[in-house]
Amino acid sequence: EDQVTQSPEALRLQEGESSSLNCSYTVSGLRGLFWYRQDPGKGPEFLFTLYSAGEEKEKERLKATLTKKESFLHITAPKPEDSATYLCAVQAGAGGSEKLVFGKGTKLTVNP
Amino acid sequence: NAGVTQTPKFQVLKTGQSMTLQCAQDMNHEYMSWYRQDPGMGLRLIHYSVGAGITDQGEVPNGYNVSRSTTEDFPLRLLSAAPSQTSVYFCASRFRRQDHEQYFGPGTRLTVT
Repeated sequence: EDQVTQSPEALRLQEGESSSLNCSYTVSGLRGLFWYRQDPGKGPEFLFTLYSAGEEKEKERLKATLTKKESFLHITAPKPEDSATYLCAVQAGAGGSEKLVFGKGTKLTVNP
Repeated sequence: NAGVTQTPKFQVLKTGQSMTLQCAQDMNHEYMSWYRQDPGMGLRLIHYSVGAGITDQGEVPNGYNVSRSTTEDFPLRLLSAAPSQTSVYFCASRFRRQDHEQYFGPGTRLTVT
């Protein structure tokens, strides 16, 4: 069964304190791994898609990386506005499969 | 562009009542989908549509119906609400089925008593 596990469940950082969020997955035939940001009371906002091991994507203070078993979302010198829940999702299986398996998310709080 | 819009934002139903959650997008996206988000669980796909007139079931379709008569609209119908359907519902869209950048609506918080 395809599974996505995110850790930690919650993370508190001081402003400027860099850290990483983890997304580990067990799927058959990874077609893509996605990171989303979700603010309270809002829908998820797309951040990145990663397709193959070794791939990296960057956006402002965020950098996503992918290995064969996990993905990391690195946050460099975070600011309070980076506080949100970060969701990881994977799409796997044969072409045309619509199943996107989401993790439960990591709630990030950045204190000023 | 308004993006993906959903109405209502909040709804309370009694067990057995029916209702329709509305979803619309103005980005000319072919692919639209409905998810539910429950505490302690990841988002789960209910139904999806790859274009007007075409719909299919996702991971948790029971108790829900959908139709897609236009490119813009993708309503979700609860036929006979049950407490297990208490959840936050998100509509999402993307340009084509094979694209991965997906846009979510603001959500509808539904409580069934």
